[in-house]
Amino acid sequence: GESVGLHLPTLSVQEGDNSIINCAYSNSASDYFIWYKQESGKGPQFIIDIRSNMDKRQGQRVTVLLNKTVKHLSLQIAATQPGDSAVYFCAEIRTNRDDKIIFGKGTRLHILP
Amino acid sequence: NAGVTQTPKFQVLKTGQSMTLQCAQDMNHEYMSWYRQDPGMGLRLIHYSVGAGITDQGEVPNGYNVSRSTTEDFPLRLLSAAPSQTSVYFCASRDRGSYNSPLHFGNGTRLTVT
Repeated sequence: GESVGLHLPTLSVQEGDNSIINCAYSNSASDYFIWYKQESGKGPQFIIDIRSNMDKRQGQRVTVLLNKTVKHLSLQIAATQPGDSAVYFCAEIRTNRDDKIIFGKGTRLHILP
Repeated sequence: NAGVTQTPKFQVLKTGQSMTLQCAQDMNHEYMSWYRQDPGMGLRLIHYSVGAGITDQGEVPNGYNVSRSTTEDFPLRLLSAAPSQTSVYFCASRDRGSYNSPLHFGNGTRLTVT
């Protein structure tokens, strides 16, 4: 998701529904991608990662999809729970170049009761 | 296993003062980095290091210095603090030698410059 000024884009999802959070990455040379979750007042926490030689990876209740053609990454959260409320960031890394790790601007996930 | 430890947790500085934000990791990670996060914003890379003795600039390096004399420590120095440096600062480390190795973050230092 792209941010607008100081306001993070917000995704509101009903509890129990599936959430899809999108991220456009910038560098076609990036070969490793990570999703992080950040709760209020805490540091980012690792959720799931994927290498550029894959297009899908699944974890517990989460799936990451990678589309290298359009430089797009998505995070799917199944059966969204109140504890999933947080800001979600994607990160791209060029592990075969300079290891510079750049984060996307983040999306706030808001769970509706 | 402490992971990534940042000190202090909170700091208030006056404009022009200097200080050092400390970061230490006990995972023997080669890669360490500093990010700043402003309210409602994402994480912006300040400086990073791929090993002891090696540092490089990130997206927003101006006003900050770093050094990496040991694998464990990566301090961030503000030489002359400015109100624009009011932010939350995160240190992170990563094992470059592993195929899939995410960044591990500290809990952050909240800095206010008046």
